[in-house]
Amino acid sequence: NAGVMQNPRHLVRRRGQEARLRCSPMKGHSHVYWYRQLPEEGLKFMVYLQKENIIDESGMPKERFSAEFPKEGPSILRIQQVVRGDSAAYFCASSPLKGAGGYEQYFGPGTRLTVT
Amino acid sequence: QKEVEQDPGPLSVPEGAIVSLNCTYSNSAFQYFMWYRQYSRKGPELLMYTYSSGNKEDGRFTAQVDKSSKYISLFIRDSQPSDSATYLCAMSGDDKIIFGKGTRLHILP
Repeated sequence: NAGVMQNPRHLVRRRGQEARLRCSPMKGHSHVYWYRQLPEEGLKFMVYLQKENIIDESGMPKERFSAEFPKEGPSILRIQQVVRGDSAAYFCASSPLKGAGGYEQYFGPGTRLTVT
Repeated sequence: QKEVEQDPGPLSVPEGAIVSLNCTYSNSAFQYFMWYRQYSRKGPELLMYTYSSGNKEDGRFTAQVDKSSKYISLFIRDSQPSDSATYLCAMSGDDKIIFGKGTRLHILP
């Protein structure tokens, strides 16, 4: 059973460009979470999605950031007009369990975004 | 006061020693308590989770939760160089998971 997959692993964007991060959950998991990790910082919750629904986006900036988890295909975290402060590691996690408490979350390897 | 406090370290101990990692928290609604291990430039890996208070043991790892003191611990026995990583405590109630900043652990051969 393949784990959570994220691509690309590394992404370099210039200021003002769009960044698109993809996450394929583990087989059988229908709950996806996105986190951001800055150097020397813990993981910060961004958004929790189920298929075709955003359940909780309270940790995601209201501007420039959006997320989706379509019926078919991976979950996508989109950052428009990136700025240097968006440089971070972005992790996706999936869970078979309902609810953002989701103690049984399995993480992907992350996408490291660098904005130049 | 932050919801979850965790000493960032680094913590260096000799191989074979017992390691003690700790977190404190302020939200009494937390019910699930987790420990994740994260190697450099990798995703976090769930080590153990505990529901409510008490102890849980898995091989060389023991997790303890004291809800009355709002204090959780992870003990690693017979520590190995391969245990060198960042350890993140995490906790949740009915809502999202809140993570500590992580403690960097170095096991010295």
